[in-house]
Amino acid sequence: NAGVTQTPKFQVLKTGQSMTLQCAQDMNHNSMYWYRQDPGMGLRLIYYSASEGTTDKGEVPNGYNVSRLNKREFSLRLESAAPSQTSVYFCASSEQGSTDTQYFGPGTRLTVL
Amino acid sequence: GQQVMQIPQYQHVQEGEDFTTYCNSSTTLSNIQWYKQRPGGHPVFLIQLVKSGEVKKQKRLTFQFGEAKKNSSLHITATQTTDVGTYFCAGPRNSGYALNFGKGTSLLVTP
Repeated sequence: NAGVTQTPKFQVLKTGQSMTLQCAQDMNHNSMYWYRQDPGMGLRLIYYSASEGTTDKGEVPNGYNVSRLNKREFSLRLESAAPSQTSVYFCASSEQGSTDTQYFGPGTRLTVL
Repeated sequence: GQQVMQIPQYQHVQEGEDFTTYCNSSTTLSNIQWYKQRPGGHPVFLIQLVKSGEVKKQKRLTFQFGEAKKNSSLHITATQTTDVGTYFCAGPRNSGYALNFGKGTSLLVTP
C-alpha cells in the first residue's frame, strides 16, 4: 500500500517548455487534488477532482490543466511553463469530500528557468 | 471569498516552552482539520474537529474548535525538537469537496 505517489520528484524546465506531473493513489479514494506550495503562501489549491470524470478549478488554476485519467490517477499539465510556476507541487486524495482526511504525496519540486 | 487565516506565521521557542497557533475563518465551518508538515516533507493529517466548543487532546497537543465554529487553536505543551515543522489548519470550501488551507505557522524549537 504505497498511498499517494508522485512523479517526478524533481524537475527543471526552461520557460515555455511543457510537462505533466503524474499522481496516483491506491486507496480507492474518490477525490483527488493538486496544490502548489510557495514560501509564506501555504497550500493553494490548483484543481481538484471530486470523483472520476469530474474536475474543478481551485484557487490558482491559470496556466494549468488537469486530467482525471481514471479513479487512481490525476495528472497536472503545464503547457507553457513560466518562472512564476516554480514551486513545490503536492497531490492529495481523500475518500470523499472535505470532511475526510487528505493524504498527500511526497511532492514534486519544479524549477522554471 | 472564503479565507482561513492563521497566526502567527512563525514562532521560535526554547525546548520546554509552550506554543499556540490560531486559526480564524471568515465563515462558519462545518469542520476544521489540522495538518503538520515537517521540513522537506509533505502535510500529514493530525485531527479533525466537528462540534462547537470541541476540545481534543493528542498527548501534548490540545486542539480546540470555537463555540461559533469560526476559529480554532492548537496548543503544544512543553515543546520538543520533534515538534518542529509547519502546522496548517484547513476548512471546507463552498463546494464541499475541497479544503481551504491557512498559510500555516512554522515552529522552530531550539534545544
